[in-house]
Amino acid sequence: GQNIDQPTEMTATEGAIVQINCTYQTSGFNGLFWYQQHAGEAPTFLSYNVLDGLEEKGRFSSFLSRSKGYSYLLLKELQMKDSASYLCAVRGGMDSNYQLIWGAGTKLIIKP
Amino acid sequence: DTEVTQTPKHLVMGMTNKKSLKCEQHMGHRAMYWYKQKAKKPPELMFVYSYEKLSINESVPSRFSPECPNSSLLNLHLHALQPEDSALYLCASSQEWTGGAITYEQYFGPGTRLTVT
Repeated sequence: GQNIDQPTEMTATEGAIVQINCTYQTSGFNGLFWYQQHAGEAPTFLSYNVLDGLEEKGRFSSFLSRSKGYSYLLLKELQMKDSASYLCAVRGGMDSNYQLIWGAGTKLIIKP
Repeated sequence: DTEVTQTPKHLVMGMTNKKSLKCEQHMGHRAMYWYKQKAKKPPELMFVYSYEKLSINESVPSRFSPECPNSSLLNLHLHALQPEDSALYLCASSQEWTGGAITYEQYFGPGTRLTVT
């Protein structure tokens, strides 16, 4: 079957660093996405990894290990506006029509 | 312009009504999607259009009827909905939808909050 696991909720302090983990078991793999979604709003694209390693984009970085079925999103210098849900999504293989398989999301709460 | 627009923002409809949701993008994207999202859940894919042709229908009930009049527009026609259909309906687009190794990120619209009474 297809499964993506992320923690339900995390809390961090403004200015600190937080790492949100995502593990996946899918029958195929064609890349992993991280999206940010503020309450009541649409998801916005943060990052995409298809090869192993770290991708850095400003305060956000995303890491992928395909052999371990594991990714993380690292957020540095946290700001209050980073309070949101973070969704991990894997693009599956032919079995799933190459669709995005979504995790349930991690709600990140930033405290002053 | 990296924007996907959706109208209306909010919609309340009775179970006997017929209404339509609209989505528009001007990024030249050839793939467009409809998702349904319930509170605190991830988006669930409903339909995928690729080059204006329906490519994926995720076993969606026929009371939801998609339409792609041209490469920039995507509609979702609603008829005889049930209260459990109340959700946020998200439209998204991407450069292409392919069955191969090339993957493009999806850009989401702000959604239509639908309430069925």
